[in-house]
Amino acid sequence: GIQVEQSPPDLILQEGANSTLRCNFSDSVNNLQWFHQNPWGQLINLFYIPSGTKQNGRLSATTVATERYSLLYISSSQTTDSGVYFCAVISSGGYQKVTFGTGTKLQVIP
Amino acid sequence: DTGVSQDPRHKITKRGQNVTFRCDPISEHNRLYWYRQTLGQGPEFLTYFQNEAQLEKSRLLSDRFSAERPKGSFSTLEIQRTEQGDSAMYLCATRQWTYNEQFFGPGTRLTVL
Repeated sequence: GIQVEQSPPDLILQEGANSTLRCNFSDSVNNLQWFHQNPWGQLINLFYIPSGTKQNGRLSATTVATERYSLLYISSSQTTDSGVYFCAVISSGGYQKVTFGTGTKLQVIP
Repeated sequence: DTGVSQDPRHKITKRGQNVTFRCDPISEHNRLYWYRQTLGQGPEFLTYFQNEAQLEKSRLLSDRFSAERPKGSFSTLEIQRTEQGDSAMYLCATRQWTYNEQFFGPGTRLTVL
C-alpha cells in the first residue's frame, strides 16, 4: 500500500517563528488533506489540497502531485498552533482506503 | 464542531465485554469511515461505507469487530469480547460523494481494563 512519511517528527518553535512541515507519499493520490489534532483528540481540517497551493490566514499549503509531496507552512506561530499535524491521502488506485502520515508534533513556546 | 457527532465520548469497560459506538454524519454525506488511533500514532483506517454498503475493510478489523450503517444514515461499530489491545480512540469521518474532503467527529475513547 501507499506509504506516507512526514517530517520533522517533532518541532519546537518560539512564538512568532515560521515553519515548514513536509509530507512525502509513495504513489499518486487523488486526495490529500492536512489536519491539526488538538490536545483533546479532535482532528481539525486545515486544507483539502490534492494539488496546487492554498492559503488560509497564517497557514498555507502546497502539493506537487507529480513529485509526490506536500508542504504545510505556518507563519508567525502562536501557542495555539501546538499539537500534532497529519497529512492523509487516498491513492489513485481506485480504493477508498485513507492512509495517514506519521505526524509532526509541534510545540510553540512563549 | 464539524457536524459529525459520536457517542459516547468515553467508554471504560472490562475485558471480555461488548461495546458499541455510534457515529452520526453530516446529513448530506453519504460516505462514512471508521478509524482507530492509538497513543502516538496516526489514525488507521478500519472500514468505509457508501450509503449502507460496506465497501472496504481493513485487515485490522478482526472477527470481533463489526460495523453497520442501516439506511445509510448513522453508523455503529461494535467490538465483541474486548481485549486490552482494543484500547484506543475510535474516530468517524464522513464526506460527500462528489467531494473528497473528510470531516471528523470528536472520537470515542475506549479503555479496556
